[in-house]
Amino acid sequence: GENVEQHPSTLSVQEGDSAVIKCTYSDSASNYFPWYKQELGKRPQLIIDIRSNVGEKKDQRIAVTLNKTAKHFSLHITETQPEDSAVYFCAARISGGYNKLIFGAGTRLAVHP
Amino acid sequence: ETGVTQTPRHLVMGMTNKKSLKCEQHLGHNAMYWYKQSAKKPLELMFVYNFKEQTENNSVPSRFSPECPNSSHLFLHLHTLQPEDSALYLCASSQVNDDEQYFGPGTRLTVT
Repeated sequence: GENVEQHPSTLSVQEGDSAVIKCTYSDSASNYFPWYKQELGKRPQLIIDIRSNVGEKKDQRIAVTLNKTAKHFSLHITETQPEDSAVYFCAARISGGYNKLIFGAGTRLAVHP
Repeated sequence: ETGVTQTPRHLVMGMTNKKSLKCEQHLGHNAMYWYKQSAKKPLELMFVYNFKEQTENNSVPSRFSPECPNSSHLFLHLHTLQPEDSALYLCASSQVNDDEQYFGPGTRLTVT
C-alpha cells in the first residue's frame, strides 16, 4: 500500500541551529503535503503545508521544499528555539481517496538551550 | 471549549467491556476522521466520514464500530478489544474540500 517514510526518528540540536526533517512518499499522484507539530500531551497542529504545483514555501523560520521527481519533501527550521521541541509528522494526501492522509512515523526534535 | 473536543480523555477498559468514544467539532466542518496513534508508529487513519457518510474504512477490525449521526458528532464504539488496541485515539475534522485537518486532544485508551 501507499506509505510515507520519515527520517530521522530523533533529532537533537543546539538552540540557534537549523533542523531538517525529510520524508519520502510512494504515491506519485499525491498533491498535498502537510507538516504537523505535536507537543508533549497535546494535539497535532498544522504548521505548514505545500502543494505539488510549488517547489518551496516559507513561513518565518519554517520552510518546506518539495521534489516531485524524487518524491520527497523536507521541513527546514532555522534559528531553532526550545519551544520548537516537539514531535513533527509529515503526511501525504493519497490520490483517489477523500481527504486521506498517510502520515510518517514522526521525528522527535529536541532543542537544547 | 472550541475547536474539536473528545471525551473521555482517558479510558481504561477490560477486554470484555463495551465503551464509546465521543468527538464533537464546533468548527462548522463536514468531514470527520478517526486516527489511532501508537507509540513509535505513524498516525493510522481508521475511518473518514464526509457529510455523515462513511467514505473510508482502512481495514479496521469490526471490534471498532464508528457512528456519525450528524456532521458535528462522531463516535467510536468499542467492544471485545485486545491489549494491542491500547493507544491514543484522535478525532479530526475538516471541510470536505479543504485540506487542513483540525485534531482533537485525543482519548488515551488502555485495554487490560
